[in-house]
Parts: sequence; C-alpha cells; structure tokens
Amino acid sequence: EVQLVQSGAEVKKPGESLKISCKGSGYNFISHWIGWVRQMPGKGLEWMGIIYPGDSDTRYSPSFQGQVIISADKSISTAYLQWSSLKASDTAMYYCARAVTADYWGQGTLVTVSS
Amino acid sequence: DIQMTQSPSSLSASVGDRVTITCRASQGISNYLAWFQQKPGKAPKSLIYAASSLQSGVPSKFSGSGSGTDFTLTITGLQPEDFATYYCQQYNSYPGTFGQGTKVEIK
Repeated sequence: EVQLVQSGAEVKKPGESLKISCKGSGYNFISHWIGWVRQMPGKGLEWMGIIYPGDSDTRYSPSFQGQVIISADKSISTAYLQWSSLKASDTAMYYCARAVTADYWGQGTLVTVSS
Repeated sequence: DIQMTQSPSSLSASVGDRVTITCRASQGISNYLAWFQQKPGKAPKSLIYAASSLQSGVPSKFSGSGSGTDFTLTITGLQPEDFATYYCQQYNSYPGTFGQGTKVEIK
C-alpha cells in the first residue's frame, strides 16, 4: 500500500527556519516525482514544486522559486520542504503528493507562523 | 505558466442530480489533466487522471472528458458524500497548476 506520512504541525515565529518532511512507503520512491502543495486558510491548492529523488531534478513554480527549498533523501525515502526565514504569510497547510498526477497524498502539515 | 480556469466557482445541487464542472487550460495540454475531490479538513483525493481514466476504487458515477484546452468532470446521481470542492490540475508542464476549485453545495 502506497503511503505518504508527513511530519507534525509546527508553530514558528517570523524569521525562524523550518524543514518539514514526507516519508514514502509501499512503492519505488526513487522512480516517482514527489512534490509539495500549499493550501492557505480557506483557499485553493497551489503546487510549490516537485523533485525526482532518483537524480534530484527539481522544478519550482515561479511563485515559489527562491522562497523555499525542496530536497529528498532517497536512502530513507523522504522528501523535504524548507524555509530559511518564515513569514506570517507562510501560514498554511502543506501537503506532499506523489507527482505528477498526485495520485497519493500525505495527511498534511499545518504550519503556523505568528509572533 | 499554464493557467487553469474552472467554472462555475460554486454550484448548488440536490441529491440525485447530475453535475458538470468545466476546466479550461490557457494553452493545449493534450490529456494531461487530473481531477480531485477535497472535503473540509481533509487531504485532496485523486479521482481521474489522463482526463478520463478513473483512479482505482473511484466509483463510476465520476467521469471525465476532454482534450487540448477544454475538459469536464461529470458526477451523476449526487449523494451526500459528494458535496465537496473539486479541483482540476494540469501536468503537461511541471510542476503543474490547479484550477481555483468548484464548491458543490447542497441545494
């Protein structure tokens, strides 16, 4: 059974750094793109970017290029999303999903950024 | 950047109704189109990929069609559990883009 399990909810202050994770199981992790989707409170879904764990090829949506870093550790079948300096506007639910058709999704990680 | 436009943004329907949601791409995407259902507080669920292929386990009351720039999602025999927000997503160019969503509410 394919599963994507995300790390738990985070509460951070503006300016802090953060790295959240998504562990895949039940499939060949290195041969499927995996990516991150943002959903701000009461809003729609936005692809942030995707990574191919086999060779670390990474594609970002223009809105998120330079704002976040997506990475993967294929030895432990885990993808990551990180920020170096959080802003209040980063408050959102973040989902990982097996790309490119997003056939499987993680349960979501709620990130709250507040002073 | 490929833009995806869904219509309508919301609709009211009754149990048993047939509902159609449309999705238009700003440029041709062949059949690289997926549909998702999201209920409040839950992760999205994949319904359809390649414009018309049903994901495993998804009931046949959901169907998709289209190619190029114009696509539709049809739900027949609406049931209470189908009231949710539906999104289309293109994956012709990576990482992909979603439509803004269509909320299906109970009339």
